[in-house]
Amino acid sequence: DSGVTQTPKHLITATGQRVTLRCSPRSGDLSVYWYQQSLDQGLQFLIQYYNGEERAKGNILERFSAQQFPDLHSELNLSSLELGDSALYFCASSRTTQSGSFNEQFFGPGTRLTVL
Amino acid sequence: AQSVTQPDIHITVSEGASLELRCNYSYGATPYLFWYVQSPGQGLQLLLKYFSGDTLVQGIKGFEAEFKRSQSSFNLRKPSVHWSDAAEYFCAVGANKAAGNKLTFGGGTRVLVKP
Repeated sequence: DSGVTQTPKHLITATGQRVTLRCSPRSGDLSVYWYQQSLDQGLQFLIQYYNGEERAKGNILERFSAQQFPDLHSELNLSSLELGDSALYFCASSRTTQSGSFNEQFFGPGTRLTVL
Repeated sequence: AQSVTQPDIHITVSEGASLELRCNYSYGATPYLFWYVQSPGQGLQLLLKYFSGDTLVQGIKGFEAEFKRSQSSFNLRKPSVHWSDAAEYFCAVGANKAAGNKLTFGGGTRVLVKP
């Protein structure tokens, strides 16, 4: 158990819908990362938040957005869903500091999204 | 931009035999390197990491990895494989603050263990 929690574990929805994935980081971790794992694209970095502020963006679609709340949990919002958005979405957290020193990332169990 | 290549998509090994998984990276500075393992239906578990110092690093579950700067490699090894080691293994390189401390992953190597 990494200490990172994600809900829900599974999500099945239809094209055009909107869903919200939730992540709680390990106690004391200020950084949260979102990754997408799909068969054709592999594991890809989507976005990072540090202490409530967006720090970096990766290959995140405009239909997707995220935020980190004062209690440090994070939500990833996916809208206008398409079949190709079906994937495993991971959240990770780390003790990255304000200076940006690198620390290892610990991953949650993931949310499997199926778009029908 | 950083990249990671894992040349072997699948590896089959007999239980008790040794295992080596290859990883080559491309990064313009001193890399932060990681190996993660993903069991079926599970998340990613960190096996080991290299930040600096000794180029041979020990991890959990009896795994070790060696950083070779001249070859841009970070291969993972285990002397004797157990059936529970059947999983998918991912090598990753960490970027610096400017790039968001993100991890860039290789495509993964799926390990099958024969009895």
